[in-house]
Parts: sequence; C-alpha cells; structure tokens
Amino acid sequence: RKEVEQDPGPFNVPEGATVAFNCTYSNSASQSFFWYRQDCRKEPKLLMSVYSSGNEDGRFTAQLNRASQYISLLIRDSKLSDSATYLCVVRGSSASKIIFGSGTRLSIRP
Amino acid sequence: GAVVSQHPSWVICKSGTSVKIECRSLDFQATTMFWYRQFPKQSLMLMATSNEGSKATYEQGVEKDKFLINHASLTLSTLTVTSAHPEDSSFYICSARAGVDEQFFGPGTRLTVL
Repeated sequence: RKEVEQDPGPFNVPEGATVAFNCTYSNSASQSFFWYRQDCRKEPKLLMSVYSSGNEDGRFTAQLNRASQYISLLIRDSKLSDSATYLCVVRGSSASKIIFGSGTRLSIRP
Repeated sequence: GAVVSQHPSWVICKSGTSVKIECRSLDFQATTMFWYRQFPKQSLMLMATSNEGSKATYEQGVEKDKFLINHASLTLSTLTVTSAHPEDSSFYICSARAGVDEQFFGPGTRLTVL
C-alpha cells in the first residue's frame, strides 16, 4: 500500500463548480499535512497547510481527519486558473522526510 | 516566501556524459536540501536528502555512485548525474527546508539524454 494515496483524476468540472479531493495516508504517526499545487512543467508550490482544526483560505478549505487518516481539499467557485495538479503531502514521524501523493489532476472548463 | 534557484533549467546531453545541477537557496540558509525526480504524469519521487557538511542519505533504489550529491555550503547543493543514459531523462527538482516543515522548491531542471 502506498504511504500517501490520491485519486489521480482527471477531474473535469465547469467554471464556478465546487470540487473536492481526498487523500489517504497510511502512517498514523504522521504529523504534518499539506496541499501543493503543480502546474505543468513547473515546480510544486505550497497551496496550504492542513491543521487539525481545518483551515480556510479564500475559496480553498482543507480538513484533516486523523481517525480515518485522510485529508481533503475543497475548492469553491472554481476558476479556470485552478486547473493544475494538486499534490497531497504528508510528513511522517521522521523530521527529514516528506511524502508526496501521486497528485490529482484538475481541469476547469469554461 | 524564500527563493530557491536551480541551474541549468534544462539540459540536453549525449549518453555517457555527466551533468551537474546546482540548487541554491538565495535568501536563507538551508541545512537540509532534497533532490526529487519526476517522470511525466507521475509524482515527485525523493531521491536523496542532502545535509550540509555530511554525506547525503539516498532513498532505496537510488544509486549513490550514479547520482552524486554535494552540499558544501548552507546555500548550495549539487547533483551530478554521472554517465547519463536516456532512462535518466527526467525533471529533477530540488527543495530547501526553511523551517521545521516548510520546503521551498527550485524551478526544476529538465534533463534529456540522447
């Protein structure tokens, strides 16, 4: 079983729609969780950290469910510019290593 | 946020040659840098963790004699792909850790081996 699993998609939704991704992780001792965004042929960029209490940044909401070992990302009122691959990232108990999920591709259509 | 640069941004080389990729943290000191490889439509795969002044820690399946990593200063780590072959063609990305968790990525180096 992979340490971090994501639905690869692609998700193809119309502009203005709400879309949600889930990501599961296998190590219950994982301590930190993030969502990164990666555009084609570019480096990943931090979208948001995921806190136990959940957090919101504009149209983006991230939540953590430790009991079920998954994190989620919700995008409301999606824009064309949201089209990208979204990477779920988990830091385990080791201080030096983070694990990337395989990414979920999102495509927003006009 | 912190800035990490990579050089070169792309390189094409003949099979059998060696290629050096530089990763620099421009406005902060990074005791730890990471090297990743990403094949098309796949996620980033950690190759090695590079600590300043010590030997790199390689992930399972990554040949340390083929992918030489040097982290001689707090702002520079280099990855040398020795005797590159076409299967080494990939997108190589470095990152530098600025705090406990936050990592900043370089823009990546696209390597094509003919």
